[in-house]
This record gives sequence, C-alpha cells and structure tokens, in this order.
Amino acid sequence: ETGVTQSPTHLIKTRGQQVTLRCSSQSGHNTVSWYQQALGQGPQFIFQYYREEENGRGNFPPRFSGLQFPNYSSELNVNALELDDSALYLCASSRLLPGRGGTEAFFGQGTRLTVV
Amino acid sequence: DQQVKQNSPSLSVQEGRISILNCDYTNSMFDYFLWYKKYPAEGPTFLISISSIKDKNEDGRFTVFLNKSAKHLSLHIVPSQPGDSAVYFCAASADDMRFGAGTRLTVKP
Repeated sequence: ETGVTQSPTHLIKTRGQQVTLRCSSQSGHNTVSWYQQALGQGPQFIFQYYREEENGRGNFPPRFSGLQFPNYSSELNVNALELDDSALYLCASSRLLPGRGGTEAFFGQGTRLTVV
Repeated sequence: DQQVKQNSPSLSVQEGRISILNCDYTNSMFDYFLWYKKYPAEGPTFLISISSIKDKNEDGRFTVFLNKSAKHLSLHIVPSQPGDSAVYFCAASADDMRFGAGTRLTVKP
C-alpha cells in the first residue's frame, strides 16, 4: 500500500479521442511524476510537477499535458489518441524531487489504457 | 534517449543462490540510484537506493553496489527466495527519475 491511487484502472478509447487519467498522491507529497510503460519496457518519463508547476518533461509531444492540484491530486491528459498510446500509465509521488535528500517515489497501481 | 540501461531482460536462479542484476547509465549528472520491484498488476515498489557519494548500501538480503567510474550499478540478492520473482527496475535521478527497461527475475525452488 503506497498511498497513491490511480483511476480508472482500465480504459478503452478510440483513436482520435481525448482521455484524462487521475492520480491521488500521499498527503504532503509535493512532487508527482507520470510515466508511460509499454509492454516489455521500463517506465518512460512523461513529465513531472512540483508544487503545481511543470518542472521537467520527457520526450513526449504536447498532446500529453498535465495538472497538479493543491489537494495532492493530479491529472494526465492525452489529446488526439493514437494506437501507440496504448500502455500502462503510472503516477508516482514523492515528498521532494525524486532523489533529493534520499527521497524515493511511491507509485500507484497504474491505469491500463487501450486505444482501438 | 536511453540514459539507464538494463541489458538482461531476464535472469533465472536457484533458490538460496545469489541473484545479480546489473544496470548501466550514461548521464553523469545522476546523483541518486534506486531499485524498484514490480509484480503483475501492481505499480513498482521501492526496494533500495544509493547515493552517488557511496559505493555500497546494504539492507538485509539486498545490497546495491555503485561503480561511478564505470557508470554501473548492481543489485545483489542473497539468498534468493521464490518470492523475489518479479521484474526489477533500475532508476537514476537528477532532477527527475529515469528507468531502465527492467529485468525479470525468476527464482526456482
């Protein structure tokens, strides 16, 4: 039990649609990161929010966007869905920036998105 | 850009023996390294970490070794147990955290 919950757990969308994935972090965790994990691969960094501001982004197009809210929840939005967006999307939260002061990140169970 | 690499997709060891999982990285700015363990249908869970100023960190059966000059780290599990069977991800952190592709460890009874 990591205290990080994601919803929904599974989702099927049609190509071209938009999707919003949600994450509820542990209280007091100022940093949330989102990852995409395709089958057989490790989590790929999408972006990171610290105190409601984006402060790092991986190699993902602008149609991947996010929000972080004061109540320690966050969203990942993906517009114009493509078939290759099918993956497990993981949210991770930490008290500080990951790695700072020995801080590890706590992951949710993920949202399995299938684009058809 | 694959800044963190785990070149062995799978590893199989006998119960009671040592498991050694390897990880290489390219970014010299990484200053903190972590290992995560993942079971099916669950998110990764933190296992052990090491700061770049150290070369070894031990926690029970788990030891992580860091060789900064070689940009290499390894996770040793001894003795290995069947319950250790999972996918292990190496991660490295600077201002954000990057992951390797994972190694699936199978510990046979």
